[in-house]
Amino acid sequence: EIVLTQSPATLSVSPGERATLSCRASQSISIYLAWYQQKPGRAPRLLIYDASNRATGVPARFSGSGSGTDFTLSISSLEPEDFAVYYCQQRTTWLTFGGGTKVEIK
Amino acid sequence: QVQLVQSGAEVKKPGASVRVSCKASGYTFPSRDINWVRQAPGQGLEWMGWINPQSGNTGYARKFQGRVSLTTNASISTVFMELRSLTSEDTAIYFCARSYCNPDSCYTDWFDPWGQGTLVTVSS
Repeated sequence: EIVLTQSPATLSVSPGERATLSCRASQSISIYLAWYQQKPGRAPRLLIYDASNRATGVPARFSGSGSGTDFTLSISSLEPEDFAVYYCQQRTTWLTFGGGTKVEIK
Repeated sequence: QVQLVQSGAEVKKPGASVRVSCKASGYTFPSRDINWVRQAPGQGLEWMGWINPQSGNTGYARKFQGRVSLTTNASISTVFMELRSLTSEDTAIYFCARSYCNPDSCYTDWFDPWGQGTLVTVSS
């Protein structure tokens, strides 16, 4: 099973600042990684797929990069609605999710 | 718009089975895979399996094989997830999610939209 490790577990950021989240795969997954956002009491929402493609309707301040084993989700300037938990997911060998990064207000 | 609406919360005893439904609307139902993902309280996301409503083909995560069944009733645009031999470790919110599509293509293994979730509590 491919294990996805997200870091940090919690990221404290002020509104307007940049946030950078990491996801590392236990083996190469090419570009087959997605990022989801989940707010309390809500279902996840797809943000990024195939490592760097924004899903329909996702603001341009969200961007994804990486390939192989190391991936990054960047939020260029945090808006109040961006404080949430973010998960990465791979689809190379079955489907697995990372443990999540909580982005909280500093 | 595309929408997935799930059945309501369930409380079950250990050893019992639970069946959760996921009704789709806003698109041609059989044409897209539906996946199931669960989330234990305060924990992360765990993929359980998928079903293609058109063919009835399914695939299950190794952890759940033999204990979960995904079925479909195309006449009511609904997918069902049955989980058997429940234990307290199965207490979680269960989500259905459709394959993501944009105007150009559909992607089987990326998920959007999701249902609202169904809380299953297993307790004696």
